[in-house]
Amino acid sequence: GAGVSQSPSNKVTEKGKDVELRCDPISGHTALYWYRQSLGQGLEFLIYFQGNSAPDKSGLPSDRFSAERTGGSVSTLTIQRTQQEDSAVYLCASRLQGSSGNTIYFGEGSWLTVV
Amino acid sequence: GQQVMQIPQYQHVQEGEDFTTYCNSSTTLSNIQWYKQRPGGHPVFLIQLVKSGEVKKQKRLTFQFGEAKKNSSLHITATQTTDVGTYFCAGPRNDYKLSFGAGTTVTVRA
Repeated sequence: GAGVSQSPSNKVTEKGKDVELRCDPISGHTALYWYRQSLGQGLEFLIYFQGNSAPDKSGLPSDRFSAERTGGSVSTLTIQRTQQEDSAVYLCASRLQGSSGNTIYFGEGSWLTVV
Repeated sequence: GQQVMQIPQYQHVQEGEDFTTYCNSSTTLSNIQWYKQRPGGHPVFLIQLVKSGEVKKQKRLTFQFGEAKKNSSLHITATQTTDVGTYFCAGPRNDYKLSFGAGTTVTVRA
């Protein structure tokens, strides 16, 4: 597609349930990022994928969070046993290459509310 | 580790006035990027600065990269309601990771 596509755009879930958030990056972009943005806050790095390299998972806040990227394209962020503090916008972004000199393109985000 | 700080956190501006927001890094940056996020939207890339002392303009927006490549500024002249949003600066933490500042949220009173 023309841009980074994320689904669902909005998700309300009960505390303790698992959720999956999907990201479809821009075609041809090898680098993919997940960021989290809590209400009124900045962007918190979660995880980074680049081609076939091992992902950088250093930003994942707990072992309830995991992500995978299949076939070097679509990525899924999974949050197990959701907690209320997980409520945030989860932003996926992609970049043509891993170089920091290239622009990052963000998706519209998945707004997660844990009740 | 490398941190990017932005000030002010909030900027309330009278329509037609000018203002400046600042971005400071604890380490020298190879480049700095600016993004704008409209209310309810997602961050959108505005510009990248690479050279020491570089100045770039986009209509009423002027971006500057400091001589030491540790700070940057965004100056907006004749603020309009379309300028409302949060402006983030971001600097590379390594080859691929961008460290974002907390953002400056701009509101405009007509």
